[in-house]
Amino acid sequence: AQKVTQAQTEISVVEKEDVTLDCVYETRDTTYYLFWYKQPPSGELVFLIRRNSFDEQNEISGRYSWNFQKSTSSFNFTITASQVVDSAVYFCALNYGGSQGNLIFGKGTKLSVKP
Amino acid sequence: GAGVSQSPSNKVTEKGKDVELRCDPISGHTALYWYRQSLGQGLEFLIYFQGNSAPDKSGLPSDRFSAERTGGSVSTLTIQRTQQEDSAVYLCASSSLLAPYNEQFFGPGTRLTVL
Repeated sequence: AQKVTQAQTEISVVEKEDVTLDCVYETRDTTYYLFWYKQPPSGELVFLIRRNSFDEQNEISGRYSWNFQKSTSSFNFTITASQVVDSAVYFCALNYGGSQGNLIFGKGTKLSVKP
Repeated sequence: GAGVSQSPSNKVTEKGKDVELRCDPISGHTALYWYRQSLGQGLEFLIYFQGNSAPDKSGLPSDRFSAERTGGSVSTLTIQRTQQEDSAVYLCASSSLLAPYNEQFFGPGTRLTVL
């Protein structure tokens, strides 16, 4: 079965705090792709990052970083020095080699950053 | 403009009526996806198109749902005899190719409310 679990439903932090959003996935495929999307209050899903199963190198983009660990089937997302504009729902998603390309989403984590 | 557009942005209808939701993908994108986002179910995949063809309709929740795509571009999702449980945000996405590694670009969604 293919599944994505985001155990944190809601997180609230104060601006400038660091925050990590957890994502655990399940798949039997050896080739798969993991994604993070951001959904701000306006509603449109925005692509943040893609990772393939053969590349476990962590990635940093400005205040955002991602930690991919195949050993624990996790693909966690950290925001450093959070800002109010980071407030959104964040979705982790899986696409696997045998699929037709449709994304399997976690339930999302709602992040609120307070000033 | 060049993003994915959807219309209408909001639709309120009475139970039992038919509705049509429209998606204009990014020009040149051959793959098009429909998803549904509801409070209880999160983001669910409904159907995808490769060109004008939808090889797998098994994600559609019932036979009241149908979709078509013409000219390899615009797609319409039709819900017949709407029910209250159809209330949700319907999201359309497109990607340049039908492949699991491809980033999908999402539209702003159509919020459907069935009274």
